[in-house]
Amino acid sequence: AQSVTQPDIHITVSEGASLELRCNYSYGATPYLFWYVQSPGQGLQLLLKYFSGDTLVQGIKGFEAEFKRSQSSFNLRKPSVHWSDAAEYFCAVVNQAGTALIFGKGTTLSVSS
Amino acid sequence: SQTIHQWPATLVQPVGSPLSLECTVEGTSNPNLYWYRQAAGRGLQLLFYSVGIGQISSEVPQNLSASRPQDRQFILSSKKLLLSDSGFYLCAWSVRSGTGELFFGEGSRLTVL
Repeated sequence: AQSVTQPDIHITVSEGASLELRCNYSYGATPYLFWYVQSPGQGLQLLLKYFSGDTLVQGIKGFEAEFKRSQSSFNLRKPSVHWSDAAEYFCAVVNQAGTALIFGKGTTLSVSS
Repeated sequence: SQTIHQWPATLVQPVGSPLSLECTVEGTSNPNLYWYRQAAGRGLQLLFYSVGIGQISSEVPQNLSASRPQDRQFILSSKKLLLSDSGFYLCAWSVRSGTGELFFGEGSRLTVL
């Protein structure tokens, strides 16, 4: 069965520093992968997605992610974090039936000044 | 453009009372519809999804049920709430036969006392 692992429950970075959030997936074929962001008490907003092609995908708010098949990873990066980036981040993969998304448990990002 | 509405936003209910959460989507036809539950530290758990009117798939045995009386309406119900039903419930939709990308509502916070 498909699964998504986000190894880091909570990360704190300084404002202006770079960020990398890790995501590993388990999937037999080429996965459809997503990163979502959630502010407290809100729904989820799509940051970026990967279906095929270029393994480095650009998203909103200056985020990017790189698909690495050999490592079964889809890590999210941002070169310079802003205080407004503090939120919870979820990685997700489409299930094998193509009917739903399977989410990781999320990584909470705190930004220090 | 498409929009998704979910209500109520906040609900406090006693144990044993019934539940009804509603979700409607506008601006699209024949969407796939989903109910997810989010508990602290556990990520998003898929509860139900629907590919059409009256077609409900349950992912997790539980005290909850879902119905889809109209194409763009999805309802989450319970006859008798348990303490363990407390959580943040998210409705979402996706394009049928699409890539699996989900569009989320703003969520409903349920507290069972």
